[in-house]
Amino acid sequence: DIQMTQSPSTLSAFVGDRVTITCRASQSISRSLAWYQRKPGKAPKLLIYKASSLESGVPSRFSGSGSGTEFTLTISSLQPDDFATYYCQQYSSSWTFGQGTKVEIK
Amino acid sequence: EVQLVQSGAEVRKPGTTVKISCKISGYTFTDYYMHWVQQAPGKGLEWMGLVDPEDGKTIYAEKFQGRVTLTADTSTDTAYMDLSSLTSEDTAVYYCAIPTMTDAFDIWGQGTMVTVSS
Repeated sequence: DIQMTQSPSTLSAFVGDRVTITCRASQSISRSLAWYQRKPGKAPKLLIYKASSLESGVPSRFSGSGSGTEFTLTISSLQPDDFATYYCQQYSSSWTFGQGTKVEIK
Repeated sequence: EVQLVQSGAEVRKPGTTVKISCKISGYTFTDYYMHWVQQAPGKGLEWMGLVDPEDGKTIYAEKFQGRVTLTADTSTDTAYMDLSSLTSEDTAVYYCAIPTMTDAFDIWGQGTMVTVSS
């Protein structure tokens, strides 16, 4: 099974900060990677698919990059609505999520 | 508009079985695999498995193999998730989700809370 490891587990940041979350796969997954945002009491929301493709309706401050085993999610200027938990997911071989990164207000 | 509407919260005793439904609308049921995802309190998202509504084929995650049964009823456009031999570790929110463009899950149900308690 492919394991996904996110870092950091928790991130404290100010509104307006540039934020980067990293996701590493235990083996190459090409670009079969998605990023989700989850807020308490709500279903996860797809932000990025195919490592860098922005889902329709998602603000352009979100971006994704990477291929193979290393991926990043970047929020260029953190907004109050962005405080949430973010998950990566590989779908190259079966489906596996990372453990999540909680973005908190500093 | 594509929608997945799940059944309501459930409370079960340890050792019993829970059945959750996910009714779709806005698309052809057999067009996409239906996936199920667990999120336990304080834990991350965990993929449980999928069912192909076209032929009923299933794939289960190793962690849930033997305890989960996924089915799809094309007469009612509804998918079901049965989880048996419940323990307190199964207390979680369960989601159905579909991938309509790539293999990422772009449409999700609202989630169903299952509480396992004696």
